Amino acid sequence: EDQVTQSPEALRLQEGESSSLNCSYTVSGLRGLFWYRQDPGKGPEFLFTLYSAGEEKEKERLKATLTKKESFLHITAPKPEDSATYLCAVQGSWGKLQFGAGTQVVVTP
Amino acid sequence: EAQVTQNPRYLITVTGKKLTVTCSQNMNHEYMSWYRQDPGLGLRQIYYSMNVEVTDKGDVPEGYKVSRKEKRNFPLILESPSPNQTSLYFCASSSLGGSYEQYFGPGTRLTVT
Repeated sequence: EDQVTQSPEALRLQEGESSSLNCSYTVSGLRGLFWYRQDPGKGPEFLFTLYSAGEEKEKERLKATLTKKESFLHITAPKPEDSATYLCAVQGSWGKLQFGAGTQVVVTP
Repeated sequence: EAQVTQNPRYLITVTGKKLTVTCSQNMNHEYMSWYRQDPGLGLRQIYYSMNVEVTDKGDVPEGYKVSRKEKRNFPLILESPSPNQTSLYFCASSSLGGSYEQYFGPGTRLTVT
């Protein structure tokens, strides 16, 4: 059974204080690992897809990396507008998307 | 504008009264899916569809039905809602080619009393 575990559950950062979020996974036949951002009461917003170990993707202050067992989302010099819940999901060979519980990030000025 | 739409956005109903939440996408996506989101439990998949007339159960299908008669629409049906189905529901779609990223609708907040 596919499993996704995210840590930490919550993260409080000062503006400019870089940090990393972890996503550990087990999946049968990885089609893709996805990172989403979710603001309160809204639908998740797609950030990145990673397909194979060693792959990296960047977008503004965010950088996602992938190994065979985990993915990291690095937030460099965060700003208050980066406050959100970050969700990791994996899609296996059967097509089903399995989400982690998310990491709630709060960035204070 | 590429989007996934859901209706209604908010719904309060009573136990046992059948309801349908509609979902429509304008991106010609093959894959569509329904999720529920509950505090502490994250997003859980209810049903998904890889194409027209092809549907499959996700992690929490009990008490729900879906149909996929047209590519753009994927309604979620609760034939006899119960209070434990009170939740925030999201519809999502994606292409089966390319990067598989899913586009989510704005959500439907359902309360069953």
